[in-house]
Order: sequence, then structure tokens, then C-alpha cells
Amino acid sequence: DAKTTQPTSMDCAEGRAANLPCNHSTISGNEYVYWYRQIHSQGPQYIIHGLKNNETNEMASLIITEDRKSSTLILPHATLRDTAVYYCIVRPPGTYKYIFGTGTRLKVLA
Amino acid sequence: EAGVVQSPRYKIIEKKQPVAFWCNPISGHNTLYWYLQNLGQGPELLIRYENEEAVDDSQLPKDRFSAERLKGVDSTLKIQPAELGDSAVYLCASSLGPGDTQYFGPGTRLTVL
Repeated sequence: DAKTTQPTSMDCAEGRAANLPCNHSTISGNEYVYWYRQIHSQGPQYIIHGLKNNETNEMASLIITEDRKSSTLILPHATLRDTAVYYCIVRPPGTYKYIFGTGTRLKVLA
Repeated sequence: EAGVVQSPRYKIIEKKQPVAFWCNPISGHNTLYWYLQNLGQGPELLIRYENEEAVDDSQLPKDRFSAERLKGVDSTLKIQPAELGDSAVYLCASSLGPGDTQYFGPGTRLTVL
């Protein structure tokens, strides 16, 4: 299973874009990239996922490099409620295995 | 649409006591998962159900942990007897099928004294 590497922590000013990187250099061609976040005392919340193309939904955008070895989750206008631990997960298709790392602790500052 | 429901949200017990956690998945989701999350770590899968069948319980410590999913809907995870090291958050998740996006409940925070 592909491993992911994320920075331990990041700060972002409220109202600015938060760009959270993830390295998955051993990813194989058919493995999906998933992003979840976990706000204190809550369960992980699904944000977005993608395979090759960039993806956008109401919560965030996912940018995957052409070689697929890394990706960036973008929260376009961070708010204080976006303070959370963000997990990047690589999952083979048709499988259920989510392997969580320790994630990136994002702190949005007023 | 209601999300994954778990109860209780918090539980404090003394070591050697039994404890049980309950999970109600999203309606129509056939796959149910139990995860363990230690402080400062990401969740780790304990067991996965497809309908009422436990299809992957390789990470479940079977000497003290047990789980069931009668009728393929609600599920219960039990620990008997609990040990100090079992203090953690126990998360339940569900998905339409094994390859689909997983949705998590709020978790049960267990403290063993």
C-alpha cells in the first residue's frame, strides 16, 4: 500500500487559502487519493477524493500532480471552523483499506 | 440524511469491567467498519462487515474483543475485560460497499481507570 507524508502542522490566516500538501511518491496508477479531516472530538469527515484529474466540490479543491506523486488540498477561504487534523489517504480501487497517518494539524488564525 | 450514529459518546469504566459500544450506520450502507484511534494517531481498522458477515477481523484482538452485526444493520463492539491500554476512541464508519467512500460516526471515547 502506498504511504503518504504530510507536514505535522500548518497555520493559515482566516480568509486566506489553506494549501495542504501530501506526498505519495509510491502511488500506483489505479490508487485513489482521499482527504478527510477530523475536528476535535469528532469523527473523520470526508472532504474529497480523486484519481488523476483535479477535483472540486463545495468544501475544497484537490490538485494532483501529473506524475501523481503528490497532491494538494486547497481550502479557498479558510475559517476558524476549518481548524482540524487533515488526513491524506491513498486507497487501491475496489478495496476498503484506509491507512491513516498522523495527518496535518491545521490551525486557522483570526 | 442522518449520519452514522454511535452511543455512548463517552464511557468511563474500571479495568476488568466489560463495555459495549453501539453503532447504527447510514441507511442502505451494507459495509460497516470499526476503528480504534489512540491519542495523537490516525484511526486503525479493527473489523469490517459486509452485511452481517465479518469479512476482515484480522486486526481485532480476539481474546478480549468481540463484535456482531445482527440483521446486517446495527453493530455492537464489546470488550471483556477492559484493560488500561484500551483507553481510546472507538469509531464506527459505513459505506455503500467495500470500495466506496466511508462515512464516520462521532466515536465513543473510552477511559479505563
